[in-house]
Amino acid sequence: DAGVIQSPRHEVTEMGQEVTLRCKPISGHDYLFWYRQTMMRGLELLIYFNNNVPIDDSGMPEDRFSAKMPNASFSTLKIQPSEPRDSAVYFCASSGSGTPEGNTIYFGEGSWLTVV
Amino acid sequence: AQSVTQLGSHVSVSEGALVLLRCNYSSSVPPYLFWYVQYPNQGLQLLLKYTSAATLVKGINGFEAEFKKSETSFHLTKPSAHMSDAAEYFCAVTRSGGYQKVTFGTGTKLQVIP
Repeated sequence: DAGVIQSPRHEVTEMGQEVTLRCKPISGHDYLFWYRQTMMRGLELLIYFNNNVPIDDSGMPEDRFSAKMPNASFSTLKIQPSEPRDSAVYFCASSGSGTPEGNTIYFGEGSWLTVV
Repeated sequence: AQSVTQLGSHVSVSEGALVLLRCNYSSSVPPYLFWYVQYPNQGLQLLLKYTSAATLVKGINGFEAEFKKSETSFHLTKPSAHMSDAAEYFCAVTRSGGYQKVTFGTGTKLQVIP
């Protein structure tokens, strides 16, 4: 399996611009997670989906952030408008409740976002 | 609620020395425990996991961890450090039964000194 695939790997954007991060989970996985990692706050869970439905978005920092999962193989995390404090690494991850791996979460390589 | 505490945000060892990264957990029910490794500019990679089978768990790259219920610990060890082991290591806890929230520790950065 190709693993969790994220794009772009690196993005530099100006404050106020819209940023869209994309994720393809591992095929057959029914849970998808978006995490944010910063030096100050460590690894934070922003939102997770089960069978394409958002279950818990309590970690989403504010209304500028939104996430969608239109189908089982694609999800987006959008920031509009972006601010410098949004600079971080954003990870997408997935897990399969019906797989032998159970609760194991598999991470993508991350999207490095810099807002200037 | 479940939590993990990683003791030491930075650990330095000499090449060839024992690696010991500490993780203590708190859980009201039998936990599942994980160690992940993050190499520079990469995502988190599963190193090993405990899911109530054998208490001594072996992972990739020569790492292993032992689940000790009496000490609520899940320390990560490797007999002989290699330069390529320099990375950040995260302990995580969840519980069995469908999806349960996974709680990550704050991470321990391992430096290997030649």
